[in-house]
Amino acid sequence: QKEVEQDPGPLSVPEGAIVSLNCTYSNSAFQYFMWYRQYSRKGPELLMYTYSSGNKEDGRFTAQVDKSSKYISLFIRDSQPSDSATYLCAMSAGNYGQNFVFGPGTRLSVLP
Amino acid sequence: EAQVTQNPRYLITVTGKKLTVTCSQNMNHEYMSWYRQDPGLGLRQIYYSMNVEVTDKGDVPEGYKVSRKEKRNFPLILESPSPNQTSLYFCASLSGGAENIQYFGAGTRLSVL
Repeated sequence: QKEVEQDPGPLSVPEGAIVSLNCTYSNSAFQYFMWYRQYSRKGPELLMYTYSSGNKEDGRFTAQVDKSSKYISLFIRDSQPSDSATYLCAMSAGNYGQNFVFGPGTRLSVLP
Repeated sequence: EAQVTQNPRYLITVTGKKLTVTCSQNMNHEYMSWYRQDPGLGLRQIYYSMNVEVTDKGDVPEGYKVSRKEKRNFPLILESPSPNQTSLYFCASLSGGAENIQYFGAGTRLSVL
């Protein structure tokens, strides 16, 4: 079993849809949870960052962490074609990035 | 502007010919890291550095070397590249502490023939 599992997609949705992206993990030591967005031919850029369990909202994006279930989610409301990208979940045990682990990424296409 | 700069962006080489990919950051970050990205496997950490002269292995260090002689630079060295090192490489630097944000370079696409 991989340390971090993520549905690779591709996922296609119509513009305006609510998108749910998910990751599961096995290492209970993870405390820092992140979502990165990666456009084609670009490096990943941080989208959301959460420490420990709970929810965090930023505009159209909401990140949820459930440490008891070892499950994290990213919700995108009112999705736009510009949201079309690969979304990577990431997590680490320490706050200096040691043992940083990424999911394989989910490719999302938002169709106009 | 906060930047992580990698060079070159694209590189085609042959088996066994030593190469270096440079990485530089302008954010005065102590922590830097190298990743490779392969289809279906995601980003895997090769090496990381907590500070000048402090480096450690990540998950896939075999066949790679790094050095950290200055805070801003963290080059990745392939002494004898092999075809299985064909991949997309990313350098990253991290602010650490309360702001645990990792900034990535634009990537280096390497092909080893």
